[in-house]
Amino acid sequence: DSGVTQTPKHLITATGQRVTLRCSPRSGDLSVYWYQQSLDQGLQFLIQYYNGEERAKGNILERFSAQQFPDLHSELNLSSLELGDSALYFCASSTPGYEQYFGPGTRLTVT
Amino acid sequence: AQSVTQPDIHITVSEGASLELRCNYSYGATPYLFWYVQSPGQGLQLLLKYFSGDTLVQGIKGFEAEFKRSQSSFNLRKPSVHWSDAAEYFCAVGMKTSYDKVIFGPGTSLSVIP
Repeated sequence: DSGVTQTPKHLITATGQRVTLRCSPRSGDLSVYWYQQSLDQGLQFLIQYYNGEERAKGNILERFSAQQFPDLHSELNLSSLELGDSALYFCASSTPGYEQYFGPGTRLTVT
Repeated sequence: AQSVTQPDIHITVSEGASLELRCNYSYGATPYLFWYVQSPGQGLQLLLKYFSGDTLVQGIKGFEAEFKRSQSSFNLRKPSVHWSDAAEYFCAVGMKTSYDKVIFGPGTSLSVIP
């Protein structure tokens, strides 16, 4: 158990819909990272937050957004969903300068 | 630009055989280096890490890795593979910039023949 929690574990929704994925980092970690993992794209970095502020952006679509709240949990919002958004979404947390710890992931299926 | 390559997409070994997974990186300074393992349907688990010091690092589950600066490599090894080691293995490179940037390699899928 990494100490990073993600909910929900599975999510099935239709094209055009909007979903929210939630992540709680390990106790004491200020950084949260979001990744998308699909069979054809591999593990793609989406976005990083540090203590409530956006730190870095990767290959995140404009339809996707995220935020980190004062209690340090983070949410990833995916809107206008397309079939190609079906993937595993991982959250990771870290203390700056140290390794990332990954949550169990949310499997999103868009039908 | 920084990059991480794992030349082997898929490797198959027999149980009890030795294993070496290759990782090469491109980065101008000495990076932080990591190996993660992912079992099917699971999250990534940290196997080992290198920040500084001894270039041979020990990890969990009997794995070790060696940092070779001259070759820009960080290969993962295990002397005797167990069937439970079948999984996807990711090498990752961390850079100390204005934020903690980590780049993951494409992964190597390991199959173990009983």
